[in-house]
Amino acid sequence: DAGVTQSPTHLIKTRGQQVTLRCSPKSGHDTVSWYQQALGQGPQFIFQYYEEEERQRGNFPDRFSGHQYPNYSSELNVNALLLGDSALYLCASSLVAARSGYTFGSGTRLTVV
Amino acid sequence: ELKVEQNPLFLSMQEGKNYTIYCNYSTTSDRLYWYRQDPGKSLESLFVLLSNGAVKQEGRLMASLDTKARLSTLHITAAVHDLSATYFCAVDIISGTSGSRLTFGEGTQLTVNP
Repeated sequence: DAGVTQSPTHLIKTRGQQVTLRCSPKSGHDTVSWYQQALGQGPQFIFQYYEEEERQRGNFPDRFSGHQYPNYSSELNVNALLLGDSALYLCASSLVAARSGYTFGSGTRLTVV
Repeated sequence: ELKVEQNPLFLSMQEGKNYTIYCNYSTTSDRLYWYRQDPGKSLESLFVLLSNGAVKQEGRLMASLDTKARLSTLHITAAVHDLSATYFCAVDIISGTSGSRLTFGEGTQLTVNP
């Protein structure tokens, strides 16, 4: 049973560029959440998608946007990258209302130079 | 705004010793999770605590939850080097049809020395 798959594993981008990160949820899960983890800090909630809609959003600017597809996979897009966007981006999948808890992917390490 | 505070943030302990990590949170929650993170890796789920008085144990780790005090503890018994990692508590707020979100503490970086 495949867990949560994230791609790419590592990414280097230049300030001002745009980036797309991808996440395939665990089989049977229908909800995807995204978190940003800066070095030495706890993960921060970006947003959550269910039924292809954004259900909750954390305190992140509009430069951060997302999408969920009918197969429950999800993308995180970040526009106009800043140096401060450098972080580990984690995707977590769950059933709606997190009845079975969350399963985290291995993350995408984004470096903005 | 929900705040989750862990202490200590850094913990250096000797093998064989016992210690407790504390997690305080500011509002009523639905669930509380403990995760482990090794350097450069993702989050590994350790425990989920659902109700007041819940206690769960796995090996040398034991977690408890006091919802009235808004406090969870992670107790380490007879520490071994393999427990060296960063430990996070996370509070889950479920908003019905509006989804759910985890709010994490700052993490406790544990180093177990021989």
